[in-house]
Amino acid sequence: DGGITQSPKYLFRKEGQNVTLSCEQNLNHDAMYWYRQDPGQGLRLIYYSQIVNDFQKGDIAEGYSVSREKKESFPLTVTSAQKNPTAFYLCASSSDRVGGVIQYFGAGTRLSVL
Amino acid sequence: GIQVEQSPPDLILQEGANSTLRCNFSDSVNNLQWFHQNPWGQLINLFYIPSGTKQNGRLSATTVATERYSLLYISSSQTTDSGVYFCAVWGGGADGLTFGKGTHLIIQP
Repeated sequence: DGGITQSPKYLFRKEGQNVTLSCEQNLNHDAMYWYRQDPGQGLRLIYYSQIVNDFQKGDIAEGYSVSREKKESFPLTVTSAQKNPTAFYLCASSSDRVGGVIQYFGAGTRLSVL
Repeated sequence: GIQVEQSPPDLILQEGANSTLRCNFSDSVNNLQWFHQNPWGQLINLFYIPSGTKQNGRLSATTVATERYSLLYISSSQTTDSGVYFCAVWGGGADGLTFGKGTHLIIQP
């Protein structure tokens, strides 16, 4: 099945700990994105990548880091510098770098702080 | 950046009723998508509709790009239609979608 796989579904972070959220796609899409959703809110863009070995900050990149070493993978690390990491994180991909194409989303990862 | 406003924020209807959800955006767009977020958080693509009208079963959508709004129509609502409906737009450049805050729809049996 083609699609976007996020893991784990649930993740708990201790104080001062870095955690990494996985996102893998087998759609052969060039562009990948990470969004954050807080309760009762829409999604906000954290980072995006248009091509391998290149990525750009979105609206709320502080306290997060990413890598894009392979076309199909775009992991997100929530660092200890992110003071309010509890949220629902969604990964997306699209076939083109520009906006005139559909974005597809994974099932998300819920991150909580212990 | 581009602003997206959705209305109403909450909507409670009886099963079988029809509904119209609205999305206003502040600038011209080359991508507009409607999503349904189910209770488990999965975002399901409903329509990719930067302009014009599309229909898919009981759902249809219309975007009037020149007037900067889009409408999502749900006819003969079912309890499974409950959830949050998001409108998201892409204003240009190379960044991601900008989302509205959503309409929380509850369909009562």
